[in-house]
Amino acid sequence: EDKVVQSPLSLVVHEGDTVTLNCSYEVTNFRSLLWYKQEKKAPTFLFMLTSSGIEKKSGRLSSILDKKELFSILNITATQTGDSAVYLCAVELYNNNDMRFGAGTRLTVKP
Amino acid sequence: GAVVSQHPSWVICKSGTSVKIECRSLDFQATTMFWYRQFPKQSLMLMATSNEGSKATYEQGVEKDKFLINHASLTLSTLTVTSAHPEDSSFYICSARDNYQPQHFGDGTRLSIL
Repeated sequence: EDKVVQSPLSLVVHEGDTVTLNCSYEVTNFRSLLWYKQEKKAPTFLFMLTSSGIEKKSGRLSSILDKKELFSILNITATQTGDSAVYLCAVELYNNNDMRFGAGTRLTVKP
Repeated sequence: GAVVSQHPSWVICKSGTSVKIECRSLDFQATTMFWYRQFPKQSLMLMATSNEGSKATYEQGVEKDKFLINHASLTLSTLTVTSAHPEDSSFYICSARDNYQPQHFGDGTRLSIL
């Protein structure tokens, strides 16, 4: 059975802190790993990772994939209150491009 | 970037009625569209995957006759919740992709059945 496990499930930090969110997976027919940010509506796309060891960066957010150890991390530096959201990790499969989502990490950034 | 539009954003209706939700890819042709359901404070659960012009593939436990999916064109898929009951109340989200884009999501539809 395909599994995507995120940790921690919930995290509370103060503005300016750096956070690391974890995602491990066990799936068949891995195609890519994606990170999404979900606030009140539907998820918005952050990163798609297909190759090991290549960091993707967008502003204060960065992410990297390890296909040998089957995990990815999402880093957020100098957090702001606007970073408060649920961060979802998803693994896309070659089977019809299906995605399997983790349970999400609920990040709360306090002023 | 890729834009996916979902309509309506919020529906309240009586038990027993059918509700149709539309999902459109606005600036790309979506070879595959996906329908998810999300309960409060839970992650997205894939309901079905649909490819343009063919029947949808449903996940185990999702009733095909209850959740009718039509993907008639490369830019439009619809989900119809037939004879909806209060337990069908949920947040329904569609996503779409082509061979080049990752999945991009619509804004979701909050369905409340009274």
